[in-house]
Amino acid sequence: NAGVTQTPKFRVLKTGQSMTLLCAQDMNHEYMYWYRQDPGMGLRLIHYSVGEGTTAKGEVPDGYNVSRLKKQNFLLGLESAAPSQTSVYFCASSATLRLTEAFFGQGTRLTVV
Amino acid sequence: KQEVTQIPAALSVPEGENLVLNCSFTDSAIYNLQWFRQDPGKGLTSLLLIQSSQREQTSGRLNASLDKSSGRSTLYIAASQPGDSATYLCAPHTGNQFYFGTGTSLTVIP
Repeated sequence: NAGVTQTPKFRVLKTGQSMTLLCAQDMNHEYMYWYRQDPGMGLRLIHYSVGEGTTAKGEVPDGYNVSRLKKQNFLLGLESAAPSQTSVYFCASSATLRLTEAFFGQGTRLTVV
Repeated sequence: KQEVTQIPAALSVPEGENLVLNCSFTDSAIYNLQWFRQDPGKGLTSLLLIQSSQREQTSGRLNASLDKSSGRSTLYIAASQPGDSATYLCAPHTGNQFYFGTGTSLTVIP
């Protein structure tokens, strides 16, 4: 009964390094999302996917890339990390876009020094 | 762009009180609205989902109402318990995403 699983849970990067965050869901959901959460701000959408092989930009996409090669996985990449990308990243999934609830992972706390 | 405001930002109540958390949003063209709970350092747990055609949704001690035309939703928590202490987030679904407020931080004092 895993739901949405994010890997890793914590990471410290140096400025300029790259990394990939993995999100896996076992609910056969079509839609997946990446959000970031910063102190004093609501969660903001980075990128989302409406199905395998598709991705789209959200509110704050700059500096990030995503891929959805398999329906159950949604990857978020940082090619050259910057201190401004220090944040908590959340992945979510939903069965449909508009009628069903979204389920969230436990988050990845990323610090860029 | 959808703007979401949650009032109050923080709330501290004695155990057993009934309480109301408020959420307002600027764009009434929503598909649904979801209430979440977030514990410190944890992910978001879904509490209730209200479709745009619904006025109310209940789950146990929780009751959420929605007035889409005025851009408001309230979460009512009955007989609060210390285990209810958390941050509560509302998220109206507009377009292709959920939009989030900054939440109400609730502390229930034993």
